[in-house]
Amino acid sequence: GENVEQHPSTLSVQEGDSAVIKCTYSDSASNYFPWYKQELGKRPQLIIDIRSNVGEKKDQRIAVTLNKTAKHFSLHITETQPEDSAVYLCAASIGTVANNLFFGTGTRLTVIP
Amino acid sequence: DAGVIQSPRHEVTEMGQEVTLRCKPISGHNSLFWYRQTMMRGLELLIYFNNNVPIDDSGMPEDRFSAKMPNASFSTLKIQPSEPRDSAVYFCASSFGLQGGGELFFGEGSRLTVL
Repeated sequence: GENVEQHPSTLSVQEGDSAVIKCTYSDSASNYFPWYKQELGKRPQLIIDIRSNVGEKKDQRIAVTLNKTAKHFSLHITETQPEDSAVYLCAASIGTVANNLFFGTGTRLTVIP
Repeated sequence: DAGVIQSPRHEVTEMGQEVTLRCKPISGHNSLFWYRQTMMRGLELLIYFNNNVPIDDSGMPEDRFSAKMPNASFSTLKIQPSEPRDSAVYFCASSFGLQGGGELFFGEGSRLTVL
């Protein structure tokens, strides 16, 4: 099956700085890569996703990049704010069963005011 | 829509007892997923259903775990007998369709503690 690795496990940044979280996946057949944000004690919620036919996608302060050759994808958050503090989960799905998601172990982001 | 509804939100039980977790997916969604989240292993897919049919249960850890989806609006995850290592947050999620991807909508989770 798919194996998704995520780094770093924890990340602290000053408010206003950028944060980058990286994930690698093992199965070249994976074609869907979402990112979920999970606030403390809450449910994971989708914040952005990318499919294998594009290399980058942006949504305001959030962007995701995908390198299919290297089998890695990254989440970039610019101008971080305290409310960005949460656990971020990357995921990948194998083949056409795009909702059979395999998650990384998460990155706990802390934005220091 | 109220979103994915899970119950109970918290469950504390003793080793050996049976535990049943319940999930009501979002109306109209035809895929349902059970995940387990722990600090050590993160979010693990246990089983998923499409149109009430189990598609892949390879993530179910042992025979002590079983899941059912008798209709489009209800699913259960049962652990019998429970063990301390089953302590985790169990999430149910639903989505519309298997093809082409799509957002997973998670419930609030059921936090299970087995003493």
